[in-house]
Amino acid sequence: EPEVTQTPSHQVTQMGQEVILRCVPISNHLYFYWYRQILGQKVEFLVSFYNNEISEKSEIFDDQFSVERPDGSNFTLKIRSTKLEDSAMYFCASSEDSRGIYGYTFGSGTRLTVV
Amino acid sequence: AQKVTQAQTEISVVEKEDVTLDCVYETRDTTYYLFWYKQPPSGELVFLIRRNSFDEQNEISGRYSWNFQKSTSSFNFTITASQVVDSAVYFCALSELTSGSRLTFGEGTQLTVNP
Repeated sequence: EPEVTQTPSHQVTQMGQEVILRCVPISNHLYFYWYRQILGQKVEFLVSFYNNEISEKSEIFDDQFSVERPDGSNFTLKIRSTKLEDSAMYFCASSEDSRGIYGYTFGSGTRLTVV
Repeated sequence: AQKVTQAQTEISVVEKEDVTLDCVYETRDTTYYLFWYKQPPSGELVFLIRRNSFDEQNEISGRYSWNFQKSTSSFNFTITASQVVDSAVYFCALSELTSGSRLTFGEGTQLTVNP
């Protein structure tokens, strides 16, 4: 079963530091996403990415966040200057199409702790 | 604006009991998609089902079944003969045709199945 791979599984960083969360989507998928889940809360959409550009972003995805597909396989989320409230589980997801006809496949997540 | 409500925060049952998880959604679109995801204690999000707004046929997959009723804007999920391995947080989610590919998640229902 193809899967979305995220690294690292857990990252601890100091407030103000930059972090890069990495994802390898399923190889034949064209649409990529980042979601976050603050501990004990619901999963929230951050951004979607298609054809090397952002197709949609939420209010949460401010100037501190950026996404990139630096090569043919990786998809990254960068947080420029982390804040305590950025502590959350970050999920990468991918889909074959924009409507998720076959579902959106999520990775196992990266737990980011900002201290 | 789209919204998903899972009124049941926590449910606890004894193994072999049937359990229904409720999901009520709000949308102005006539074309939309509903999803259920399972989040086991390990944290990943596991896709269970996708349903589009034009298909109100109920679905059964093994011990899982889904009841979609547009008249009440509900998409409920039933687990028959629950097992300890079903213990997880279950999320209902919605995407609208006009709001891109973002998924809006409900708050989730923590299901605990006791032996």
